[in-house]
Amino acid sequence: DTAVSQTPKYLVTQMGNDKSIKCEQNLGHDTMYWYKQDSKKFLKIMFSYNNKELIINETVPNRFSPKSPDKAHLNLHINSLELGDSAVYFCASGTGPGGEQFFGPGTRLTVL
Amino acid sequence: QQQVKQSPQSLIVQKGGISIINCAYENTAFDYFPWYQQFPGKGPALLIAIRPDVSEKKEGRFTISFNKSAKQFSLHIMDSQPGDSATYFCAAFGSGTYKYIFGTGTRLKVLA
Repeated sequence: DTAVSQTPKYLVTQMGNDKSIKCEQNLGHDTMYWYKQDSKKFLKIMFSYNNKELIINETVPNRFSPKSPDKAHLNLHINSLELGDSAVYFCASGTGPGGEQFFGPGTRLTVL
Repeated sequence: QQQVKQSPQSLIVQKGGISIINCAYENTAFDYFPWYQQFPGKGPALLIAIRPDVSEKKEGRFTISFNKSAKQFSLHIMDSQPGDSATYFCAAFGSGTYKYIFGTGTRLKVLA
């Protein structure tokens, strides 16, 4: 059973389009995250939700909008995609402060 | 103060050798220090973690050394194997927050 799953795994799209990435976890965790990993492998947190409540929003352009319909899901919607949005996006879930985080397999977004 | 500095950026080690990756932090509020291992095309996975009340933690061939006064911690991989070839990230986490700060990553290659 996959603990943290993301769809799609690959996403290729044109500049200006709107796209969504979905994430689901079956670990029963209260906290979920979105990370962006750029071409240099830098891993940076974007958002975190705890019990469906947004608790971290790291100076991410407002073109990015997370949404947590329930504790097991955290989706990421991106409007007006730009070339610089090309990266691998990882969803993660965790047990809370100071706890282990479990990462999904990533979604490689390529904006042409 | 929120940075975690990681070195080296890349590392090549012979099979059976010792791999050492170092990290330094500034924020004394950090109190949980995990190391993550990432294979190509996969999400990061927790390898080993330490809290500042101990100076060393060992799990199999992996050891974290922690120097609280110097605000440094390191990962030692003993008897390095080709299967250890991956990117390693240190991270730091502060109680009361949900945010991990990741180091910039070290690409380890173990030669057969």
